[in-house]
This record gives sequence, structure tokens and C-alpha cells, in this order.
Amino acid sequence: DGGITQSPKYLFRKEGQNVTLSCEQNLNHDAMYWYRQDPGQGLRLIYYSQIVNDFQKGDIAEGYSVSREKKESFPLTVTSAQKNPTAFYLCASSIEGQDAYGYTFGSGTRLTVV
Amino acid sequence: AQKVTQAQTEISVVEKEDVTLDCVYETRDTTYYLFWYKQPPSGELVFLIRRNSFDEQNEISGRYSWNFQKSTSSFNFTITASQVVDSAVYFCALFNQAGTALIFGKGTTLSVSS
Repeated sequence: DGGITQSPKYLFRKEGQNVTLSCEQNLNHDAMYWYRQDPGQGLRLIYYSQIVNDFQKGDIAEGYSVSREKKESFPLTVTSAQKNPTAFYLCASSIEGQDAYGYTFGSGTRLTVV
Repeated sequence: AQKVTQAQTEISVVEKEDVTLDCVYETRDTTYYLFWYKQPPSGELVFLIRRNSFDEQNEISGRYSWNFQKSTSSFNFTITASQVVDSAVYFCALFNQAGTALIFGKGTTLSVSS
């Protein structure tokens, strides 16, 4: 079945460490997105990519980095510059140019700083 | 400016009660799309409905119904005869042609008790 796989489901990070969250899709979608979810804050856009080897900052990109070397993969790195990384991270995808049809979401990664 | 407001942070009902989740949006575009997603405790967002700005017909799907009113910029969601399995966070979202990604409201947490 086609879908989006995020791993790991739970991730613990020590302060000062970089961590990478994985997002893989087999839907042949061109566009991919990373959202951050905090209690009571809804979903906020971190980065998005509409095509391989290209990506754009969203509303809260500071302290994060991404890459898009393959169509099916869009990993997110939470760097030590992100001061408050504890949150739930959701990856999504859509057919490029057809955001009007909505997104398919992964099941998320919960990141906790210890 | 584009914005989605879900004024109800939390709603608690008893099984079999009807419940309406409010969504108010802001956009200057004449062409836009509205969505509702459900986020169960597992975390993955599940697509419920998509509506374009030119279609103001209300929609009913089983126990779910949606009321779209451009005059009040609202896209409200009603669950009839609620069930415990309806307990989740519900998000309203907006996409317009000038945008780059879906814009989400902060979500409404619905708790249905037996």
C-alpha cells in the first residue's frame, strides 16, 4: 500500500545534539512538507519541497535543515540551534501543483529533549 | 492575510450528543479550498473533506456533515450522535492559489465519553 513512513516514532535527544527525522513516501508525490505540532498551536510549516533538489523555508525554519536528494525522501535535521525542539513532527506529501487536493500525512515522530 | 481560526480549544460531550466544531477562515482570494482533518491518538492526520470556494453546498457523510457559508467565512463541522471513537483532535485547513502550503487552525480537541 502507498503511504508515508516516518521513523522513528519516538526520539530522544540530548541538548546540543543534532538529530535527523526520516520521512519516506512511495506515492510518487512531487511535493513534501514538514510540520511541527505543539499543544494548542496547531500545525506550523517548517520546510517544504516541491521538486527534487529544491526546498523552501516555511514559517518556523530556524534551527532546522532539510535535504531532497530523492523524490521519495525528505529528511529533517533538528540542529542544536533549535532552542525548543520538543514537539511532534509530521511529514506530508502531495502531487505538485495540486495542493488543493490536500495532503497525505505520516504518523509522526515525537521528539523529546532530555 | 490567510488565517484559520478554531475558537473552540476543547469540547466534551456524552455519547449520542450532537456536536459542532467551528472554523472561520480569512483569505483575499476568490479561489480557495477548505479541509477538515481528524487526528486520533495515534497521531496521523486523516483527511475528512475538501471543499472549494465555488461550491457552497452542504455535505453529509454518514454521521458527519459540513456547513460552508462564504457570507460568514465559516466551514463548520457537525457530528451527529457522537461516539467514543470520534474522540480526536480536529483541524480545519485552508489552501489558496497564492499560498505555498496548507494553513491549519490550532485544532479542537473533542472528547466523547460513554
